[in-house]
Amino acid sequence: HVHLQESGPELVKSSGSLFLTCTVSDASMTGFYWTWVRQTPGGALQCLGYAHYSGTSKYTPSLKGRINISVDSSTNQFSLTLFSVTAADTATYYCAASNGDNSFDYWGQGIPVTVSS
Amino acid sequence: DIIMTQSPATLYVSPGERASLSCRASQAVGRRLAWYQQKPGQAPSVLFFGASARASGIPGRFSASGSGTEFTLTIDSLQSEDFAVYYCEQFDAWPRTFGQGTKVDI
Repeated sequence: HVHLQESGPELVKSSGSLFLTCTVSDASMTGFYWTWVRQTPGGALQCLGYAHYSGTSKYTPSLKGRINISVDSSTNQFSLTLFSVTAADTATYYCAASNGDNSFDYWGQGIPVTVSS
Repeated sequence: DIIMTQSPATLYVSPGERASLSCRASQAVGRRLAWYQQKPGQAPSVLFFGASARASGIPGRFSASGSGTEFTLTIDSLQSEDFAVYYCEQFDAWPRTFGQGTKVDI
């Protein structure tokens, strides 16, 4: 059973960068699309983007230029970097995995991130 | 972006009753739709993919149907563990988008 675990700072200063890591257990890094999803305090879910071990990545247009997702197969991890954060980026961030372009079958437990001024 | 609209926002039901949740897409997504359940303090978990294919371990009292722009999730004989928030999500077009959720409450 695939296990995902997010880690990183839970408090980030406004205008700074948010960096989160997802550690993957019991799965090959080659088999899935590795995705970040966030959930606002109001409950709205937003798919931020994904990366594949092959180097392919795709990001939601509203974040283009501010986001990077990368996969490190040697450490069984993938990461999210979000630049120039504002209070609007305050959310719970989930890492998730899909088998190709399909439903998110696996989710991490989530990590709450607050952007403070 | 494709807008996913779920109704109602909150559905009040009693244990043992049936709940029907609706999800509408602003443009056709074929059958490329998933349903997720989220309980307080937990991550969402997949119930259905491909509009009506039940994920592993999901009880038979859950069913889903639809295609194109109209989708339905039905829960027969609600159990206490079914009170949660349910989200639909389309993965036909990028960016993938979620509905705002339906809370099933007592």
